[in-house]
Amino acid sequence: LAKTTQPISMDSYEGQEVNITCSHNNIATNDYITWYQQFPSQGPRFIIQGYKTKVTNEVASLFIPADRKSSTLSLPRVSLSDTAVYYCLVGLYSGAGSYQLTFGKGTKLSVIP
Amino acid sequence: DVKVTQSSRYLVKRTGEKVFLECVQDMDHENMFWYRQDPGLGLRLIYFSYDVKMKEKGDIPEGYSVSREKKERFSLILESASTNQTSMYLCASSSPGQGGFQPQHFGDGTRLSIL
Repeated sequence: LAKTTQPISMDSYEGQEVNITCSHNNIATNDYITWYQQFPSQGPRFIIQGYKTKVTNEVASLFIPADRKSSTLSLPRVSLSDTAVYYCLVGLYSGAGSYQLTFGKGTKLSVIP
Repeated sequence: DVKVTQSSRYLVKRTGEKVFLECVQDMDHENMFWYRQDPGLGLRLIYFSYDVKMKEKGDIPEGYSVSREKKERFSLILESASTNQTSMYLCASSSPGQGGFQPQHFGDGTRLSIL
C-alpha cells in the first residue's frame, strides 16, 4: 500500500494561494489521488481527484508530477471558511472486493484574517 | 445530494457491551465503508462492503464485525466493547467506478465513548 505524508499544519492569510503537498513515494501504477476537506463535527467532503498532470475544478487545482510520487492541492485566494483539515487519499478500486486505499494523517489549514 | 446518515452523533457504552453503529445511504451506492478517526492517526479503514452480504476487511478489523443485509444499510458491530475503541466512527458510501475511484460520501460521524 502507498504510504502518504502530509504537513501537520499550515497557516495562511486571507486572499493568498495555499499549496498543500502530499508525498506518496510508493504509489502504485493504477492508484488515484483524491483530496478531502473536513470541518469540525462533519465528515470529510470530496474536493478533487486526479491520476496525472493537472486537474482543475471550481474550488481547487491538483498538480501531479510525472513521477507521481507527490501531489499538490492548490486553493486559490483562501478565505476564513477554508479553515479545515485537508486529507490526501491514495488508492484504487479494481473490482469487487478489491479496494486498496491509504489516507494521509491530514493537514490542518488555518486561515488568518 | 447524497445523504449518508449515521444513527447517533454521540454514544456512551460500557466495557464488554455489544455495540451497534448504523449507517444508511440514499443514493443506491454499491460500496459502503466504516472508518475510525483518531487524533494524529487520520482515517483508518475498518471494513468495507461492495454488495449486499459481501464484506472485506480493511486495515484494522480486529474487534469489529459488520453486517449488510440491505443495500442502503451498513452496520458496524463491536462484539465486546473495550476502552481502546473509544473514537470517532465515520461511515461512507460510493459507486464502484471501476478503474478509478469514485468520491466517497461521508456521514457526520458517531463519537463513541467506552467507559
